[in-house]
Amino acid sequence: DAGVTQSPTHLIKTRGQQVTLRCSPISGHKSVSWYQQVLGQGPQFIFQYYEKEERGRGNFPDRFSARQFPNYSSELNVNALLLGDSALYLCASSGGTASGNTIYFGEGSWLTVV
Amino acid sequence: AQRVTQPEKLLSVFKGAPVELKCNYSYSGSPELFWYVQYSRQRLQLLLRHISRESIKGFTADLNKGETSFHLKKPFAQEEDSAMYYCALSHYGGSQGNLIFGKGTKLSVKP
Repeated sequence: DAGVTQSPTHLIKTRGQQVTLRCSPISGHKSVSWYQQVLGQGPQFIFQYYEKEERGRGNFPDRFSARQFPNYSSELNVNALLLGDSALYLCASSGGTASGNTIYFGEGSWLTVV
Repeated sequence: AQRVTQPEKLLSVFKGAPVELKCNYSYSGSPELFWYVQYSRQRLQLLLRHISRESIKGFTADLNKGETSFHLKKPFAQEEDSAMYYCALSHYGGSQGNLIFGKGTKLSVKP
């Protein structure tokens, strides 16, 4: 199993632009979560999706949105990029939303906003 | 506010020495606590969780609700333990997909 895969691995955007990050969960996993990790900080929760429905949202502005597709893959969209959006964006998947379901992280997408 | 605090950014010990990585939390309900580890050039992965009460790679952690702590301990550190360690807390029914992380502690084990 390839694990959680994310694309692109690195990208550079200009302030004001929009970006779409993609995530493919481990086969059979129906839950996908997104985290933002700014340099020197721990990951910060953005969204969780399960069976294509939003199950949780962190304290992020409406410029951040996400969706999950029928094959359980997911996209994170960020509009009107700010310099402060520069971070590593992590995707994680799990089999469900119960306490016993361990999440597995991808390697992340490094976003630089200039 | 829900919060996880890891007071040490960097912890440096010699091989064979005991190690303790501190984690304190603030949470209004019943928390579930985790330790995640990130080795160099690898992805973030679960090390252990308090409800399992297990020892992974010689590490243990006990949840102390009175002191709101979940410190990670190992009696004899190994060089391969060098990594970034994150303490994390879950809420909303305990889903691991929705975690609050601390800022992390970098453990460096010297030969």
